[in-house]
Amino acid sequence: AQKITQTQPGMFVQEKEAVTLDCTYDTSDPSYGLFWYKQPSSGEMIFLIYQGSYDQQNATEGRYSLNFQKARKSANLVISASQLGDSAMYFCAMWGSNYQLIWGAGTKLIIKP
Amino acid sequence: ETGVTQSPTHLIKTRGQQVTLRCSSQSGHNTVSWYQQALGQGPQFIFQYYREEENGRGNFPPRFSGLQFPNYSSELNVNALELDDSALYLCASSQGLAGIEETQYFGPGTRLLVL
Repeated sequence: AQKITQTQPGMFVQEKEAVTLDCTYDTSDPSYGLFWYKQPSSGEMIFLIYQGSYDQQNATEGRYSLNFQKARKSANLVISASQLGDSAMYFCAMWGSNYQLIWGAGTKLIIKP
Repeated sequence: ETGVTQSPTHLIKTRGQQVTLRCSSQSGHNTVSWYQQALGQGPQFIFQYYREEENGRGNFPPRFSGLQFPNYSSELNVNALELDDSALYLCASSQGLAGIEETQYFGPGTRLLVL
């Protein structure tokens, strides 16, 4: 069965600094995809970035990039030049069996001015 | 392009009552999934609907049921509400079934409080 582990319950980062949010995963499937979502206090889950297991390059979307290390089974999210609006919960997820997304426990990121 | 919408945004019910939550999927999407998210936790999968049929289900009792309509909008019904049903209920839509690249897009959620 698939499993997602996020080991950082919370992080404080100074505004304009880069931040790395950790995600490790476990799956026996040869093909898989990993997602990162942002959840502000309002509750909406916002899709940020996707990385496929066979993608040759690390995914990037604006200030978001994914540090994908397949051999280590890690897919860390990197946010460059953090902003106050980046303060939120961040979740790593992947498709499991039975048509469901498997989620990590999340990391609460707080950006300090 | 219209995103995923959910109604109501907030709801207060008492134990034993029944509740219906509604979701309109994003334009062009035919798959809807429902998740329950308790405070401080990640979402838990309830079920998924594809072309009006339940396509997968998580570890939720039968008092959690759903529907998907021909326009791909969806309802989540919860009977005999319990205090532990208090949570944020998230609806997500996607273009098709869960392939590894299939991205789910979420609505703003409905916050349910059971007293």
